[in-house]
Amino acid sequence: QKEVEQNSGPLSVPEGAIASLNCTYSDRVSQSFFWYRQYSGKSPELIMSIYSNGDKEDGRFTAQLNKASQYVSLLIRDSQPSDSATYLCAVNANAGKSTFGDGTTLTVKP
Amino acid sequence: DAGVTQSPTHLIKTRGQQVTLRCSPKSGHDTVSWYQQALGQGPQFIFQYYEEEERQRGNFPDRFSGHQFPNYSSELNVNALLLGDSALYLCASRGGLAGGLSYNEQFFGPGTRLTVL
Repeated sequence: QKEVEQNSGPLSVPEGAIASLNCTYSDRVSQSFFWYRQYSGKSPELIMSIYSNGDKEDGRFTAQLNKASQYVSLLIRDSQPSDSATYLCAVNANAGKSTFGDGTTLTVKP
Repeated sequence: DAGVTQSPTHLIKTRGQQVTLRCSPKSGHDTVSWYQQALGQGPQFIFQYYEEEERQRGNFPDRFSGHQFPNYSSELNVNALLLGDSALYLCASRGGLAGGLSYNEQFFGPGTRLTVL
């Protein structure tokens, strides 16, 4: 079992729809959770961080964390073609080292 | 505010050669981590440097080594290159005045694309 698993893609949604990206992790002592967006040929860009159970909203993005279920998700509302990218889930159990999933590729169709 | 910078952008080497990649952290950051990202996979942690010392290391052979300088910049060295070392090498920095768990937020540089022939 991989330490961080993401729902296998690719994921395709129409423009304006809600995209839902999911991630599970195995290390129960994990404290910090991140979502990165990576465009093709580019480096990962941090878009959301979440540290406590519940929802965290930032513009069209909402991160959800459930530590009991070892589950973190990212919702993108009103999806735009510019949101088409690979989304990486990252988990920190201790300071510094991030463990990444293999990403979910999202395509938003106009 | 200068972000994380890396050099070179691209590099082509042959098997058995050695390579050095360079990274300057985001202004105000003092901790640098290196990651290897193969095509279609997530970044894999190589090691982390803080106060000029290697603090954590991932599951990489000792052909991979690094260094951090007093100005917090860092180098990644890979010896005896193998075809399988072809990947995007990413540097990430964190630290500075961020408090609490926000201290763990890492910001990536543009990466160095290494091709081993």
